[in-house]
Amino acid sequence: DAGVIQSPRHEVTEMGQEVTLRCKPISGHDYLFWYRQTMMRGLELLIYFNNNVPIDDSGMPEDRFSAKMPNASFSTLKIQPSEPRDSAVYFCASIQPPNNEQFFGPGTRLTVL
Amino acid sequence: RKEVEQDPGPFNVPEGATVAFNCTYSNSASQSFFWYRQDCRKEPKLLMSVYSSGNEDGRFTAQLNRASQYISLLIRDSKLSDSATYLCVVNGAGNQFYFGTGTSLTVIP
Repeated sequence: DAGVIQSPRHEVTEMGQEVTLRCKPISGHDYLFWYRQTMMRGLELLIYFNNNVPIDDSGMPEDRFSAKMPNASFSTLKIQPSEPRDSAVYFCASIQPPNNEQFFGPGTRLTVL
Repeated sequence: RKEVEQDPGPFNVPEGATVAFNCTYSNSASQSFFWYRQDCRKEPKLLMSVYSSGNEDGRFTAQLNRASQYISLLIRDSKLSDSATYLCVVNGAGNQFYFGTGTSLTVIP
């Protein structure tokens, strides 16, 4: 298996633009997590899905953020409109219980100017 | 109060030294505990799970103290390649996981 795949790896955009981050979990993993990592706040859970259904989105910072999982092999995290304070590394991870080891993708480094 | 708290360090130790990291968690109902390692500009990767009885993997020993709600990681005979950030992870309700902010370790030649 190729592991968790994320795209793009780097994104530089201007304030106000829409940003879409993509994730393909490991095949057979029922859970998918979106995290954001910054120096100040560390790794924060934004939202997670179980069998494509959002279970907890309490970590989504505000309405500008939205996430979807239309099928078991694909998820998107969208920011519209983007702001400079959204600059961070966004990680996607997946697990398959009862093994709770989280497998992370390489992350998307987002810079909003 | 944060779900998981760690000393951010940095810890700068000479090669061959023994170093220990601690992490406290707030939810007494937590059942799963882990240490992850994150190299600079890379994704976190599982280092080891932490079991109630404590567990060892080569130079690494993890321990859990449920009464005091903390977990620890001990690294013996530090190598240059151990330089990284070590993240403490605790599960919450359902399959939600809480990460500490990480402890930075630099092993010096």
